[in-house]
Amino acid sequence: SQTIHQWPATLVQPVGSPLSLECTVEGTSNPNLYWYRQAAGRGLQLLFYSVGIGQISSEVPQNLSASRPQDRQFILSSKKLLLSDSGFYLCAWSPAVRQETQYFGPGTRLLVL
Amino acid sequence: GESVGLHLPTLSVQEGDNSIINCAYSNSASDYFIWYKQESGKGPQFIIDIRSNMDKRQGQRVTVLLNKTVKHLSLQIAATQPGDSAVYFCAENYLWDSGTYKYIFGTGTRLKVLA
Repeated sequence: SQTIHQWPATLVQPVGSPLSLECTVEGTSNPNLYWYRQAAGRGLQLLFYSVGIGQISSEVPQNLSASRPQDRQFILSSKKLLLSDSGFYLCAWSPAVRQETQYFGPGTRLLVL
Repeated sequence: GESVGLHLPTLSVQEGDNSIINCAYSNSASDYFIWYKQESGKGPQFIIDIRSNMDKRQGQRVTVLLNKTVKHLSLQIAATQPGDSAVYFCAENYLWDSGTYKYIFGTGTRLKVLA
C-alpha cells in the first residue's frame, strides 16, 4: 500500500530564517506531487505541483520554492521566512494512472515568530 | 469565479443519527468529486469519491449523492459516531488544458457529534 510522510510535524522558526519541509511517498512510482497551505478556517491553497523529477509548477508568487530531487521526494523551501508563512502545510500525491485522486500527508504545522 | 462552497459551516448531530453535509459547485466542466475528512491537526483523509456519470455511490456508512442538474453534492453518514467529529470538505476536479487535473476545494463543514 502507499503511504505519504511529512516532516517535521511541527516547526517554530524565527522571521528571516530558512525553511525546508520534506515529503516522501512510498509504494508508488512517478506520482504527481503537490504542496498546499491551509490557513485556519480557510480552504486549501495550492502552492506547487510536480509531474516528474525536476518539474515544478508554481501556482502563486510567494516567498517559497519547491524542488523534486527524486521521484518520490518533494521539498518545500524558503530562504527567509515571513510571518505570513505561518500555516499548516500539506503534501499530497496522486497516482500516475489515476491522476484525479489526491491523497494527503499528515501535514506540518509551521509557526513563524 | 468558479468555486466549491458549503451551505452549513457547522453541523451538530446526535450520536446515532444520520448526518448530511452539503456542497455546491459551479464548474460545469468538473467530472470528479471527492469528500475528505479532516480531524484537528491532521491531514485530510480520503472518504469517498464519485464521477459525474454516477448520481450515487455508497461506502461503509457513507453515501455520496451527486445532482448535476443543480450542481450539488452531499455526503451522508449513517449512524453518526463520536469518531466522525471532524471537518468535512468536498473537492471538485477537472482536466486542465495542460493535461493535468485542477482541484477546487471547499472550505469545509465542521461536524459535531453530541453524546
